[in-house]
Amino acid sequence: DAGVIQSPRHEVTEMGQEVTLRCKPISGHNSLFWYRQTMMRGLELLIYFNNNVPIDDSGMPEDRFSAKMPNASFSTLKIQPSEPRDSAVYFCASKHGVGTEAFFGQGTRLTVV
Amino acid sequence: GESVGLHLPTLSVQEGDNSIINCAYSNSASDYFIWYKQESGKGPQFIIDIRSNMDKRQGQRVTVLLNKTVKHLSLQIAATQPGDSAVYFCAERGRDDKIIFGKGTRLHILP
Repeated sequence: DAGVIQSPRHEVTEMGQEVTLRCKPISGHNSLFWYRQTMMRGLELLIYFNNNVPIDDSGMPEDRFSAKMPNASFSTLKIQPSEPRDSAVYFCASKHGVGTEAFFGQGTRLTVV
Repeated sequence: GESVGLHLPTLSVQEGDNSIINCAYSNSASDYFIWYKQESGKGPQFIIDIRSNMDKRQGQRVTVLLNKTVKHLSLQIAATQPGDSAVYFCAERGRDDKIIFGKGTRLHILP
């Protein structure tokens, strides 16, 4: 397996534009997490899916952020409209069952100018 | 993905010495405590976990100690190598299966 695949690796966009980040989890994993990493806040959990269902989205900062998981092999995180303070590295991670080992993708570095 | 930078505490250790990285946690209801390693430009990678009803667990060159009385977790790395240079995060997994990360510590290996 190629691991968790995120795209794009880098995204530069202008304030106000819509941004969509994509994630393909490891096949067979039934849990998927979206995290955001910044210097100030560290690694923040944004949303957590189990069996494609959003379980906890309490970490989503505001209504501008939305996430979907239409099937077991794909998830998106959308920011609309984007703002400069959304600049961060966004990670997707997946895991199997009730284990503690989450496998992370390489991340998407988002810069909003 | 770069790891958190300027605001991280840093531990500098001589190559070959043992490293001890500490972490304080707040949620007594967590059922597992976990250590992750993040190298520059990569996502975090699982190292070892410990169940909340244990106080010590050993892996290859690593040992995790859990002190529930003072809510303290530590990661010991034996015979530290240049490849151990990274940011280390402690994390907690609650019964809701969410994995929440703490602040990281940067480990710097001196030649």
